[in-house]
Amino acid sequence: EVQLVESGGGLVQPGGSLRLSCGVSEFTFSKYWMSWVRQTPGKGLEWVANIKQDGSEKYYVESVEGRFTISRDNAKNSLYLQMTSLRAEDTAVYYCARNRSSWYLTGYYYNLDVWGQGTTVTVSS
Amino acid sequence: DIQVTQSPSSLSASVGDRVTITCRASQNIKNYLNWYQQKPGKAPRLLVYAAFGLESGVPSRFSGSGSGTDFTLTISSLEPEDAATYFCQQCYSPFHSITFGQGTRLEI
Repeated sequence: EVQLVESGGGLVQPGGSLRLSCGVSEFTFSKYWMSWVRQTPGKGLEWVANIKQDGSEKYYVESVEGRFTISRDNAKNSLYLQMTSLRAEDTAVYYCARNRSSWYLTGYYYNLDVWGQGTTVTVSS
Repeated sequence: DIQVTQSPSSLSASVGDRVTITCRASQNIKNYLNWYQQKPGKAPRLLVYAAFGLESGVPSRFSGSGSGTDFTLTISSLEPEDAATYFCQQCYSPFHSITFGQGTRLEI
């Protein structure tokens, strides 16, 4: 079964750091773009970051640019999110997700077809 | 950035009802739109991709339509297990920026 499993969440003080991990199984990790998405009760789902198959391209939502770093280790089938200078507004459930390319009619379309169960990050003093 | 706005934010319906949820994009995104279902305590589940494509394993009572700026997710005949929150997501720029609608909570 295709599976993503996040870990590394927890309670951290404002200004602190945390590293999230996402282990994958039962698919060829190196063939997919991967994403981090977070969810808060107040703001719903928010895309956080994307990383290309070989790690050569990375994109971030503006609110985490310069503070968060997405990375991957294809040999270990693992995705990471290094979070620094954490703020209260970063409190959320963080999901990793596979970014799949699907052919439909006349073109390719990307979608988040597999998600992990989520890991909770709480930023509070 | 492309914004997507869903409506309604919540609705209540009965088993067997036909339900429609709408999503409007702030600019033309052709048919680069996906729909997800999320139940409490669970991760989102992909239902529809490319505005019309039904994901494998999703019941045929779910369907998507629309293009440009206006999209709909329709559930033709509600089942009790359809109680969930539904999100749309634009994927016009799938790598540089992904945005979700604010969600529609469906109560059965």
